[in-house]
Amino acid sequence: EVQLVESGGGLVQPGGSLRLSCAASGFSFSTYGMHWVRQAPGKGLEYVSGINSNGDSTYYANSVKGRFTISRDNSKNTLYLQMGSLTVEDMGVYYCASGTSVGYFGYWGQGTLVTVSS
Amino acid sequence: DIVMTQSPDSLAVSLGERATINCKSSQSILYSSNNKNYLAWYQQKPGQPPKALIYWASTRESGVPDRFSGSGSGTDFTLTINSLQAEDVAVYYCQQYYTVPPKTFGQGTKVEIK
Repeated sequence: EVQLVESGGGLVQPGGSLRLSCAASGFSFSTYGMHWVRQAPGKGLEYVSGINSNGDSTYYANSVKGRFTISRDNSKNTLYLQMGSLTVEDMGVYYCASGTSVGYFGYWGQGTLVTVSS
Repeated sequence: DIVMTQSPDSLAVSLGERATINCKSSQSILYSSNNKNYLAWYQQKPGQPPKALIYWASTRESGVPDRFSGSGSGTDFTLTINSLQAEDVAVYYCQQYYTVPPKTFGQGTKVEIK
């Protein structure tokens, strides 16, 4: 059974940092690109960041470029998102999602909630 | 970036009736070399992560009921839910995966029971 389990969310002050993790199991993690998608409260899905299978190519949405860093450790089957200079606009549920050989997102984690507040 | 626009933002349909959701991309997502449309549909129920329903614009994921169907090509796509069931109440999103990445989503369409 495929599982993606996010962790690391929580309450952080404006300007602070958080590191999200996504532990993967049940599939060949090192084969697929991985992605972070966020959802602000009551809003739609926003594609945040992606990384290819071996980690040498990354992408960031303009809204997070220069503040967030995506990485992966294929030996640990884990995806990361280092988030810095957080603002209230970064609040929401952060989902990790696995790519597929086709290109869409085949599996999603349950998400981890990030709250930015003083 | 390719912009995905869905319509309507919400719709209410009677049980057993048909729901139709449209999705338009700002540029063609039909890849000429393989004649495939790089378009997926997801369903998100309250409090749950999204779940893939359809890819290649019209191919159902394993286990997805056949009342869900996708159609369209190029820039215009449709998700149809035939004979709406109570468990189909959700927000539906289209996504293009033509660009590698960003794999942009539509804004979502909320389906409710009338």
